[in-house]
Amino acid sequence: AQKVTQAQTEISVVEKEDVTLDCVYETRDTTYYLFWYKQPPSGELVFLIRRNSFDEQNEISGRYSWNFQKSTSSFNFTITASQVVDSAVYFCALSEGAGGTSYGKLTFGQGTILTVHP
Amino acid sequence: GAGVSQSPSNKVTEKGKDVELRCDPISGHTALYWYRQSLGQGLEFLIYFQGNSAPDKSGLPSDRFSAERTGGSVSTLTIQRTQQEDSAVYLCASSKGQSHSPLHFGNGTRLTVT
Repeated sequence: AQKVTQAQTEISVVEKEDVTLDCVYETRDTTYYLFWYKQPPSGELVFLIRRNSFDEQNEISGRYSWNFQKSTSSFNFTITASQVVDSAVYFCALSEGAGGTSYGKLTFGQGTILTVHP
Repeated sequence: GAGVSQSPSNKVTEKGKDVELRCDPISGHTALYWYRQSLGQGLEFLIYFQGNSAPDKSGLPSDRFSAERTGGSVSTLTIQRTQQEDSAVYLCASSKGQSHSPLHFGNGTRLTVT
């Protein structure tokens, strides 16, 4: 069965520090997708990024970057020059399968609470 | 609407009562999901609707839980004979239904069973 582990329960940083959120996953499928979602205090989960199992190209988007490594089953997320508005719970998630009812059926990690202090 | 709308935002009910939670997905999204978020269990998949296909109910925790999606749009999650362990935030999400499309979540309904 699939599993997502976010070992860091809580991280606290000071504004402008870089911070990396770790995510390790387990799956038997060769086709799968990985996601990061952000849940600010308002409660609404917001999609950040999606990666499929065939695309290990890492990505940078503004202050965000993602490091996907199949060899270690990891999909880590880095925020550069953190800001107070980045404070939220961050979830890593996995969906398996090439089709059918597995679409969108996400397995979430337990989440990492990120607090950025001014 | 612009986003996924859920109502009510908060619901307090007595143990043993039935509750209905409503979700209005983004217009044009064919897929709709219910998840549950609680302190002890994190985010759990409950049920998934895709077009006219039979729903995937594999995440429903007991037969007290059921969901409907009428006309391919609005969905209602019903919990019968509520128990204290049902207390959680119930999140609805929708997507375009294509391969592993990102989910767009609502703000959730916080259910408290006293």
